[in-house]
Amino acid sequence: KAGVTQTPRYLIKTRGQQVTLSCSPISGHRSVSWYQQTPGQGLQFLFEYFSETQRNKGNFPGRFSGRQFSNSRSEMNVSTLELGDSALYLCASSFRGGTNTGELFFGEGSRLTVL
Amino acid sequence: QKEVEQNSGPLSVPEGAIASLNCTYSDRGSQSFFWYRQYSGKSPELIMFIYSNGDKEDGRFTAQLNKASQYVSLLIRDSQPSDSATYLCAVNTGFQKLVFGTGTRLLVSP
Repeated sequence: KAGVTQTPRYLIKTRGQQVTLSCSPISGHRSVSWYQQTPGQGLQFLFEYFSETQRNKGNFPGRFSGRQFSNSRSEMNVSTLELGDSALYLCASSFRGGTNTGELFFGEGSRLTVL
Repeated sequence: QKEVEQNSGPLSVPEGAIASLNCTYSDRGSQSFFWYRQYSGKSPELIMFIYSNGDKEDGRFTAQLNKASQYVSLLIRDSQPSDSATYLCAVNTGFQKLVFGTGTRLLVSP
């Protein structure tokens, strides 16, 4: 069974640009969540989608957005990039969609560098 | 106060010893708790989850939960050099929103 696939794996952008990251969950997984990982802040929750609906959102500015498609694939977008957005962006999928589960399967991440 | 706190380490143990990793959380209403392992340059992988007070064992790993003390721990028996990694404690605050600790780096020396 294929794991969570994220593209692109690496990208370099300049301040002010925007970026779109893609995530294909494990087949059959309907929940997709996104996390930002930085050395200083660790792993921080961005948002979670289930059946194309955003059910939960972290404390990030509106420049960070996402969506989920009917095939459960998800994208996240960051507009007007800032230097502080440089991070590893991790997508995770889950088979269980309940409110109190957290058995996540992470992709390898998209490493974004903002110059 | 951070929502999930862990000692950053490194925690150094010799091969074959028991490694004890600890985590405290602030939200008394939290109901599900997770331990993820992250090797350097890799993404986190789930190794244990626990929902009820007490111990839960899986192979060499034992997760312990004490909701009254708001304390979660992970014991690794017969530690191996391949266990050297960062261990992340996480608490679910609703709909896959996990709050992670900053992780404890474990070093197992041969």
